[in-house]
Amino acid sequence: DTAVSQTPKYLVTQMGNDKSIKCEQNLGHDTMYWYKQDSKKFLKIMFSYNNKELIINETVPNRFSPKSPDKAHLNLHINSLELGDSAVYFCASSPSGTARNYGYTFGSGTRLTVV
Amino acid sequence: GEDVEQSLFLSVREGDSSVINCTYTDSSSTYLYWYKQEPGAGLQLLTYIFSNMDMKQDQRLTVLLNKKDKHLSLRIADTQTGDSAIYFCAESRDNAGNMLTFGGGTRLMVKP
Repeated sequence: DTAVSQTPKYLVTQMGNDKSIKCEQNLGHDTMYWYKQDSKKFLKIMFSYNNKELIINETVPNRFSPKSPDKAHLNLHINSLELGDSAVYFCASSPSGTARNYGYTFGSGTRLTVV
Repeated sequence: GEDVEQSLFLSVREGDSSVINCTYTDSSSTYLYWYKQEPGAGLQLLTYIFSNMDMKQDQRLTVLLNKKDKHLSLRIADTQTGDSAIYFCAESRDNAGNMLTFGGGTRLMVKP
């Protein structure tokens, strides 16, 4: 069983389109995240979300919005896609509190290419 | 990120030891982690160290933490070709909830 699963694995789309990436975790974790990895492999946090709180990295454009239908899902919706949005997007989850030493569990990534 | 820095590249021969270094700036870092990313895959947690420790060993992996110099290292003994990957260090802080800040990654190449 995949612990953190993302779909799709690859996404090619035209500029200006709106797209969503889905993420699901079956670990019972409290917190989920979206990270963006650019072409130089640099990883930047976009969002952190648990039942009570959404934390947004202030550098993320408001075209990006996380949507969480329940504790096990955190989807990423992107409006008006731009060329610079091309990257690999990783979903991750983690327990909170004293279980922090377990770190994150990552999904395998979604490679988004905007043409 | 700017707060966590790593060298970009390391090349070693199979059977040698590899040492990957990381420096961080925030003294409130509480947990420090090493992740491995293989091509086309997500990040896999290798090991972690709590900030009140200075060393942790786990089979071929040894983590050293110098809190005074804010320096973290990962030593891989008897490096194998399967160890070729990108290695990321990351930190978490009590004042940042569960969010991790990652270094830019070190690409390890193991030559036969």
